[in-house]
Amino acid sequence: GESVGLHLPTLSVQEGDNSIINCAYSNSASDYFIWYKQESGKGPQFIIDIRSNMDKRQGQRVTVLLNKTVKHLSLQIAATQPGDSAVYFCAENGQAGTALIFGKGTTLSVSS
Amino acid sequence: GAVVSQHPSRVICKSGTSVKIECRSLDFQATTMFWYRQFPKQSLMLMATSNEGSKATYEQGVEKDKFLINHASLTLSTLTVTSAHPEDSSFYICSAPPRTMNTEAFFGQGTRLTVV
Repeated sequence: GESVGLHLPTLSVQEGDNSIINCAYSNSASDYFIWYKQESGKGPQFIIDIRSNMDKRQGQRVTVLLNKTVKHLSLQIAATQPGDSAVYFCAENGQAGTALIFGKGTTLSVSS
Repeated sequence: GAVVSQHPSRVICKSGTSVKIECRSLDFQATTMFWYRQFPKQSLMLMATSNEGSKATYEQGVEKDKFLINHASLTLSTLTVTSAHPEDSSFYICSAPPRTMNTEAFFGQGTRLTVV
């Protein structure tokens, strides 16, 4: 079946470094993508989204890049802080009104 | 912004008993609610979709008689884990779809179920 996956299960960085988390998706019909942050024991927290008619979107300290040619999504976190430590999921919405499909998740560990 | 409230946040129950998890949309009406299950160190997997006024639809491999879903009103969806077993121990999360297409969905806080 079609699914969204992540390349790396864990990422360890030093405080102040930039972090890049990657995601590959397989449903070429998906037109909306979201990055979520999940802390232990909590529900997913929205970080940033991007529609398929864009290739880059910036938020506060975060940037999402979308490459539709190779079906690749990435999340860049600038000046990573210990509070950024969490599991990050990409998700896609293949069809309007249907549930999001989540990738496997990357654990980001930030050491000070 | 919209808020989805899920309750309880944690529950421990004995094998063989049933547990009900509630998911409420606080400032909007949700005709649909998605229920996910998340095992440790794994991603969120869609279990079922509840629809107000009609039967829920279940994903392949999810037992509808074990995971009873009721969408009694436009603001409340419930998931009941019946005859719970230790393998049902997991993190359950509800989600309301976005109000407009291609905007963010709204998630509950999640329920940590431990069956002993």
